[in-house]
Amino acid sequence: KAGVTQTPRYLIKTRGQQVTLSCSPISGHRSVSWYQQTPGQGLQFLFEYFSETQRNKGNFPGRFSGRQFSNSRSEMNVSTLELGDSALYLCASSLDRAEAFFGQGTRLTVV
Amino acid sequence: GQQLNQSPQSMFIQEGEDVSMNCTSSSIFNTWLWYKQDPGEGPVLLIALYKAGELTSNGRLTAQFGITRKDSFLNISASIPSDVGIYFCAGSANTGNQFYFGTGTSLTVIP
Repeated sequence: KAGVTQTPRYLIKTRGQQVTLSCSPISGHRSVSWYQQTPGQGLQFLFEYFSETQRNKGNFPGRFSGRQFSNSRSEMNVSTLELGDSALYLCASSLDRAEAFFGQGTRLTVV
Repeated sequence: GQQLNQSPQSMFIQEGEDVSMNCTSSSIFNTWLWYKQDPGEGPVLLIALYKAGELTSNGRLTAQFGITRKDSFLNISASIPSDVGIYFCAGSANTGNQFYFGTGTSLTVIP
């Protein structure tokens, strides 16, 4: 069974630009969560999608948004990038209310 | 967002020694998960716990769901060099799949 796939693995963007990250969950998993990981703040929850609906949301500004498609694939978008958005963005998939399996992450660098 | 208190922050041990780390929360959780993360990779799930008092093993790893449901413990027996990495605990209060993560324990095993 294939694991969680995140693309791209690495990304360099300029301040003010926007970026879209993609996550393909494990087959059969309908829940997809996104996390931001930075050395100073650790792993911070962004949001969770289940059956194309945002079910939970963390404390991030509106520049961070996401969506989920009917095939459970999810995308995360960050608009008007700031230097502080540089981080490892992790996606996790799970069956409903069960253990979460992570992808390898997308390393975003904002310059 | 909420973060769990995880200790110790770092450990330097000799190969063959046992390791203990713990995680505490101010909230009651229904699920505790333990992950290991290697540099530049996503966290890999080690053990999942679902009931207070539950003790679960995965090879040389053993984790326990605390009776108060506000803490969890991870033990690694007879450590080996490949145990090196950062270990994270994560807890969920069963409101969807929103997991709160500990700050991580960095483990170094000296051969």
